[in-house]
Amino acid sequence: GIQVEQSPPDLILQEGANSTLRCNFSDSVNNLQWFHQNPWGQLINLFYIPSGTKQNGRLSATTVATERYSLLYISSSQTTDSGVYFCAVVSGGNKLVFGAGTILRVKS
Amino acid sequence: DADVTQTPRNRITKTGKRIMLECSQTKGHDRMYWYRQDPGLGLRLIYYSFDVKDINKGEISDGYSVSRQAQAKFSLSLESAIPNQTALYFCATSAGGSYGYTFGSGTRLTVV
Repeated sequence: GIQVEQSPPDLILQEGANSTLRCNFSDSVNNLQWFHQNPWGQLINLFYIPSGTKQNGRLSATTVATERYSLLYISSSQTTDSGVYFCAVVSGGNKLVFGAGTILRVKS
Repeated sequence: DADVTQTPRNRITKTGKRIMLECSQTKGHDRMYWYRQDPGLGLRLIYYSFDVKDINKGEISDGYSVSRQAQAKFSLSLESAIPNQTALYFCATSAGGSYGYTFGSGTRLTVV
């Protein structure tokens, strides 16, 4: 099945800093989503982005489907951005496959 | 009301007990899924259903069963709970194809 790799596994930022999270996948996809899991465990859908670029406030995402990767940009980070960021993809079989996540800690 | 509702939110149960986790949705989606998350890991698929009469095993279905009572309801059962089934369980729905998934708030299950 498709493999999803996220990097870095851990990231510590000072409040106000910018960051880039990466998601590599091993096969073509027809669905890619970025999620933020907050400290209470809730999964929040950030972007549905199988290709192209989207922006939502301080967050933006770009997927280059032909090169099998996606990037999540966080600008001017805040402590509330802390948590785990997951990339998840669907390839062919309509089953969402998750990467292991990036743990982000933003310090004030 | 949430689009995807899971009950209970938290549950502590004893080894060997049967427990059911429930999921209901108002999205009108045909496809529903159960995922499990262990600490420090991503989510793994337990079971999925593409309609009321279609139920399929995911990558970690052993020890679990499901019931699709209606388009809007999909329940996960642990017939005889064991401690390594302690995890955070998520229900999700999708319209299929190239549409996104919507997740519930999760059920935190502890088996002692």
